Amino acid sequence: QQPVQSPQAVILREGEDAVINCSSSKALYSVHWYRQKHGEAPVFLMILLKGGEQKGHDKISASFNEKKQQSSLYLTASQLSYSGTYFCGTEIRNQGGKLIFGQGTELSVKP
Amino acid sequence: NAGVTQTPKFQVLKTGQSMTLQCAQDMNHNSMYWYRQDPGMGLRLIYYSASEGTTDKGEVPNGYNVSRLNKREFSLRLESAAPSQTSVYFCASSEYGRGSGGYTFGSGTRLTVV
Repeated sequence: QQPVQSPQAVILREGEDAVINCSSSKALYSVHWYRQKHGEAPVFLMILLKGGEQKGHDKISASFNEKKQQSSLYLTASQLSYSGTYFCGTEIRNQGGKLIFGQGTELSVKP
Repeated sequence: NAGVTQTPKFQVLKTGQSMTLQCAQDMNHNSMYWYRQDPGMGLRLIYYSASEGTTDKGEVPNGYNVSRLNKREFSLRLESAAPSQTSVYFCASSEYGRGSGGYTFGSGTRLTVV
């Protein structure tokens, strides 16, 4: 039931772009994306709802393919502050809003 | 505006001891959750409470119990701690039902069982 994220890790230079993928075997109601820096709590980035509604910010965006049960997170013109571990969380309808998280993608942005 | 507050931040227990992790939120959220995080395993759901008065098991509930004391507070109890429960525990809350809000996480409790 846990969604699968890819890649597991990625190293970028400042200004480069990255894509992180999240794939589920279940029909999804929503997909969340979070970023966690070392030793800190995860921080909410955005949510993608079934039906195409999207919320996001800055140079980070995401897509949600309901038919394929997949979501992708796009980071453009990466900054040093983007470093951290990114998690997708998947929600199935009528299950109390609970999220099942992927195993995470570690992103390192170098100067 | 504190958000989600967890206590304690650190704890060392001996095998067989019991303890309760406390969590409180001041955002008037309906839903609250307990996760544990182990290296390479991501965040795994232990228990959750969709609304005041209800609790349900998550992915890894064995060895834990929860209490939704009121709308603000959701506690996690380890009755007889085991080394396998060494982990970082996160409490989170959200506005379930609107489908538009993300989780707000507490700062975590780092638990070591020896």
